[in-house]
Amino acid sequence: DAGITQSPRYKITETGRQVTLMCHQTWSHSYMFWYRQDLGHGLRLIYYSAAADITDKGEVPDGYVVSRSKTENFPLTLESATRSQTSVYFCASSEPGSSQPQHFGDGTRLSIL
Amino acid sequence: AQTVTQSQPEMSVQEAETVTLSCTYDTSESNYYLFWYKQPPSRQMILVIRQEAYKQQNATENRFSVNFQKAAKSFSLKISDSQLGDTAMYFCAFMKPFGQNFVFGPGTRLSVLP
Repeated sequence: DAGITQSPRYKITETGRQVTLMCHQTWSHSYMFWYRQDLGHGLRLIYYSAAADITDKGEVPDGYVVSRSKTENFPLTLESATRSQTSVYFCASSEPGSSQPQHFGDGTRLSIL
Repeated sequence: AQTVTQSQPEMSVQEAETVTLSCTYDTSESNYYLFWYKQPPSRQMILVIRQEAYKQQNATENRFSVNFQKAAKSFSLKISDSQLGDTAMYFCAFMKPFGQNFVFGPGTRLSVLP
């Protein structure tokens, strides 16, 4: 089925470990986004990508790395996880254009002990 | 930078009643787009309604409608005939034209009571 898939849905890891969250979309949308959701902050943009091999920082990029070698995939890596990165992470995609909404994956709940 | 404020962290409403969720935003742009997303306990983010700032007519989608006041920079969501399935977090979001990036408010947790 067409859509946007995030994996894993839940992840527990330890501080200092590297962890990668996966995002895959089947719509061939140009834009993809990574957000983190924390109580009282809503969703905050970490990184986004306008096309393959084009990425840019959002509001809270520190401690995160992204890549986009293929249009359909946009993985997010925490190179050395910290407890402050415990959060729910959402991937989204959209077509370019004035009023195009973003379509979201189901999120990954990441706990860092 | 744009900011989005939702001043009601939590609200409740009786089933079949009407409830209004508030959203205000700050921008110097003259044209932009506003959205309401719903996040039920399943954690999905579901688009509820969208509004183009250049349109004076308020958007409506079935039981959901908005009151868009451009001068006041206000974008409230009205839910009529509330249903138990409307229980969710509701997020207001702002987007500049061709900017693609959304700025989200902190959310309002709505509980519909039987």
